[in-house]
Amino acid sequence: SYELTQPPSVSVSPGQTASITCSGEKLENKYVSWYQQKSGQSPVVVIYEDDKRPSGIPERFSASSSGNTATLTISGTQALDEADYYCQAWDIYASYVFGPGTKVSVL
Amino acid sequence: EVQLVESGGGLVQPGGSLRLSCAASGFTFNTYNMNWVRQAPGKGLEWISYISDRSVTIHYAESVRGRFTISRDNANNLLYLQMNSLRDEDTAVYYCARDIAAPSYYHYGMDVWGQGTTVTVS
Repeated sequence: SYELTQPPSVSVSPGQTASITCSGEKLENKYVSWYQQKSGQSPVVVIYEDDKRPSGIPERFSASSSGNTATLTISGTQALDEADYYCQAWDIYASYVFGPGTKVSVL
Repeated sequence: EVQLVESGGGLVQPGGSLRLSCAASGFTFNTYNMNWVRQAPGKGLEWISYISDRSVTIHYAESVRGRFTISRDNANNLLYLQMNSLRDEDTAVYYCARDIAAPSYYHYGMDVWGQGTTVTVS
């Protein structure tokens, strides 16, 4: 089965940059999306198709990919960005796969 | 407004069955592929099933294959998940989610999510 790996947690100071990595075999050959889930709420897509930002998502959210690792970057992190973040990719054998999630704390 | 509303969750005994529904509105339902995703208490997101716009292509996660059946009624803008032989580990919030529009055989992610319906197997 296909697996994605994320760090369990990331801490960032307000106004600083938070980076969340997502690693998986041959990830460079797959489209990666990123979801934000705040406590008690449904997930919201913040990045899709590797690096595209849906309308309504602030510009401080960006993403990149290199080799087997994709990275979600939150620039100028705000307190309201505190949430769990999940990466996701489609594998031809496993279909959609989610990473285990990363808890972003804004301290 | 684009919206997905799940229903049908509840308390069921192990071995029992339940059918979840997802009502879509605000978009042309029959042109979008759809998914079910679940989240066990305190755990991460788990994709469990996918159905293409005309039900030609269906996929299941290994954890539910053979027990769950996804289907859709395009005439009434409804998505379903029939869950049989339920186990304790199926306890979760179940979300329906719309696939992002993409060329055939491409999968970019999910852009619209419902509020979720809770299934408790106990």
